[in-house]
Amino acid sequence: KQEVTQIPAALSVPEGENLVLNCSFTDSAIYNLQWFRQDPGKGLTSLLLIQSSQREQTSGRLNASLDKSSGRSTLYIAASQPGDSATYLCAVRPMDSSYKLIFGSGTRLLVRP
Amino acid sequence: DGGITQSPKYLFRKEGQNVTLSCEQNLNHDAMYWYRQDPGQGLRLIYYSQIVNDFQKGDIAEGYSVSREKKESFPLTVTSAQKNPTAFYLCASSTDRVRTSNQPQHFGDGTRLSIL
Repeated sequence: KQEVTQIPAALSVPEGENLVLNCSFTDSAIYNLQWFRQDPGKGLTSLLLIQSSQREQTSGRLNASLDKSSGRSTLYIAASQPGDSATYLCAVRPMDSSYKLIFGSGTRLLVRP
Repeated sequence: DGGITQSPKYLFRKEGQNVTLSCEQNLNHDAMYWYRQDPGQGLRLIYYSQIVNDFQKGDIAEGYSVSREKKESFPLTVTSAQKNPTAFYLCASSTDRVRTSNQPQHFGDGTRLSIL
């Protein structure tokens, strides 16, 4: 059974710091991995989607990597800003399930001014 | 603007009552999904629909029902059989036509359901 874990559960950093969020999954048979951002009381905003054949994706200050064989993905945020404060969720799309995403429980990020 | 609209934003349910959460999308997406999110946890799939008049159970479908009469709409009913309905409910959609699609899912802003 596919399980997705995100560590740490919470992270507090000063503004300007580069940071890495971690996501691990137990079964490497996935179609893709997606990173989302969730603001308090809001829905999810898709940040980056990495296909199983890809190693990384970049969007602005965000870079996501995927190492399928080891079951790991990282989300790198460069030059963090207070506006980056949110919960970051990763989700995998397993090959043994139709259309389903399996989510981690998220990392709650606080960027202090 | 294209997007997904969920209503209401907050909903209260009395004992023994059925309540319906609305989800409408104008993205022309084929697939729609309902997820439940409990505090400090990830999302769990309740139901999904790949096409009009068809839907499938997710991991936690007991106590819930859905319909897909129109492409744009995928309402979720929380029935009295759902004994622990307090949660944040999120609707999503995507352009998926096949299982291997790599299209991202787009989410609405959610409905927070509480018991009176």
